[in-house]
This record gives sequence, structure tokens and C-alpha cells, in this order.
Amino acid sequence: AQKVTQAQTEISVVEKEDVTLDCVYETRDTTYYLFWYKQPPSGELVFLIRRNSFDEQNEISGRYSWNFQKSTSSFNFTITASQVVDSAVYFCALNDYKLSFGAGTTVTVRA
Amino acid sequence: DTGVSQDPRHKITKRGQNVTFRCDPISEHNRLYWYRQTLGQGPEFLTYFQNEAQLEKSRLLSDRFSAERPKGSFSTLEIQRTEQGDSAMYLCASSLGGGSSNYGYTFGSGTRLTVV
Repeated sequence: AQKVTQAQTEISVVEKEDVTLDCVYETRDTTYYLFWYKQPPSGELVFLIRRNSFDEQNEISGRYSWNFQKSTSSFNFTITASQVVDSAVYFCALNDYKLSFGAGTTVTVRA
Repeated sequence: DTGVSQDPRHKITKRGQNVTFRCDPISEHNRLYWYRQTLGQGPEFLTYFQNEAQLEKSRLLSDRFSAERPKGSFSTLEIQRTEQGDSAMYLCASSLGGGSSNYGYTFGSGTRLTVV
């Protein structure tokens, strides 16, 4: 069975601080995909990134970066120099033929 | 194509009434998914279709819930005899592909159901 754990329930930071969101997953599949989604107060789920299980190269895209470590089944996400607009709930998700989501981490960025 | 559309955005109903939600996926997407999200939780999988075939239903989907996707286009999710515990956001998503797919999922804005 697929399982995604986001141990952090809430994170509060002051603007310009970095925020790292943890995600640990469980799967028996050898091929799988991992996703991060953002859900702002308006409610829609906004796709941020997906990674396949064969690609452990970490990446930076603007203020976002990802750290995928297959050996520890972790797929962490960092927002650098946070802004108030980054305030949202962030979900990690694991895919076989459907997405299984973690419980989410609420990020509050204070001005 | 403007993405996945869901209708209505909000629905308030009395306990015991039936409600129906509609989802219009991205036209070329062959897969359609329904999720339910309660406050403070991540979306939970309910069911999915590949074209018009409903391939899986979660145990979360009681007998009061039914979903259809006639002709593999739009989908409807009906809840009969609503209960207060059905209050949640119902999300629809669509994707292209099958199996362990790299293809992205596009989510709609959801239908927020409140049962009073």
C-alpha cells in the first residue's frame, strides 16, 4: 500500500526566511512518481513539481528546490526567501495509477 | 481547453437530500478521478475512470455514492440521503495515460458540500 507522511502540521516563518517541508513515503513499487502540490486559501490544488523514482537529481527552480533521496524514501521541498504569497497548505503525493496524498503542511509566512 | 471544471462550486443541502456534482475534464484526458477532502486533511481517493469504465472504487465510497462517466467525457458524482459527515470538498482531476504514469494531474477547483 502507498503511504505518504508529512510530519510537520504547521510551519510559521517571517518573510525572507527559508522553509523546508518534509515528506516520507512508502511504496513497494520500483517505478513511481512523487509530486508536490500547493493549496492556497482559495482551495484549488496547484501543481508544483513531479519526480520519477529513477531521477534523484535535485533541482532548483527559482525560489523552490527539491531533495529526493530514494535511500531514505524522502522527498523534501524548500522555499527560499519566503514571501507572504507562499502562505498555503503544501501536499506531497505519491503516484502509482492514482495519487495518494499526505495530510499536508500549513505554511504561514508573516510580513 | 481551460482546464477541469466543476459545478457547482458550493452546495448547501439538508440532511437526507440527494445531491449531484458534475466534472468536465480536459477533453483529451482519458482518466478522471474523484477525491474528497475534509478540513485539515489531504485529498482522499474515491474512484477513477478510464474512458467510460469505472476501474476502482475506494472503500470510502459507501453505497450512497455513485459515479458515472457516460461516453468517457464528463462525470457525475451523486450522493444519496446525505449525512452531515458527507460535508467536504469534492475534487475532480483528470490525466492522460495509464499505469504508473508520469503524466500530470489537473485538478478542478472543487465542489464544497455542506450538509445541514
